[in-house]
Amino acid sequence: EADIYQTPRYLVIGTGKKITLECSQTMGHDKMYWYQQDPGMELHLIHYSYGVNSTEKGDLSSESTVSRIRTEHFPLTLESARPSHTSQYLCASSDWETNYGYTFGSGTRLTVV
Amino acid sequence: RKEVEQDPGPFNVPEGATVAFNCTYSNSASQSFFWYRQDCRKEPKLLMSVYSSGNEDGRFTAQLNRASQYISLLIRDSKLSDSATYLCVVNNFNKFYFGSGTKLNVKP
Repeated sequence: EADIYQTPRYLVIGTGKKITLECSQTMGHDKMYWYQQDPGMELHLIHYSYGVNSTEKGDLSSESTVSRIRTEHFPLTLESARPSHTSQYLCASSDWETNYGYTFGSGTRLTVV
Repeated sequence: RKEVEQDPGPFNVPEGATVAFNCTYSNSASQSFFWYRQDCRKEPKLLMSVYSSGNEDGRFTAQLNRASQYISLLIRDSKLSDSATYLCVVNNFNKFYFGSGTKLNVKP
């Protein structure tokens, strides 16, 4: 039973479209993260947030933006999708007590054609 | 230098074998450590935390060596279902750093 939800699970969209990937968690976690992962490759942190109205860019440069207006919600937006954005996007959250690690959502697999 | 380094493998082992993975980390001030498992095209899932004194969960044993800055995962009596990529994760000051993963293939 997932406590962190991502929608849509799969998305195929044309070049130039604006898209928003949704991520919500019900655990009351303050910290939330977005990772990008290509098949068989490592995870790259693209955005993170330590609480409401806090957002930071991650280690991998990304053309996406995020917002954190509510604790439970951390959407990621691409203003103009391109084929180079094709990838899997994973959302995660964690508590301030870092001994418990991350919980990941099941991911959004994005294909831009 | 990467924060976390892992041997990418793949490790190809027969069922019943014992296999060990190592992972090194660069920041000696790192606070917490984890092993995650990721199946093909799925999200990573927490396998176990790694404690200073070492810890065991069934067939899985994790150890931490702070002096040498590495953590290890030992899997005994490998099952076909253990086939996956194992990710080493290190926490530094509220940021989690993932290794690139070690792929394990358990063969019948």
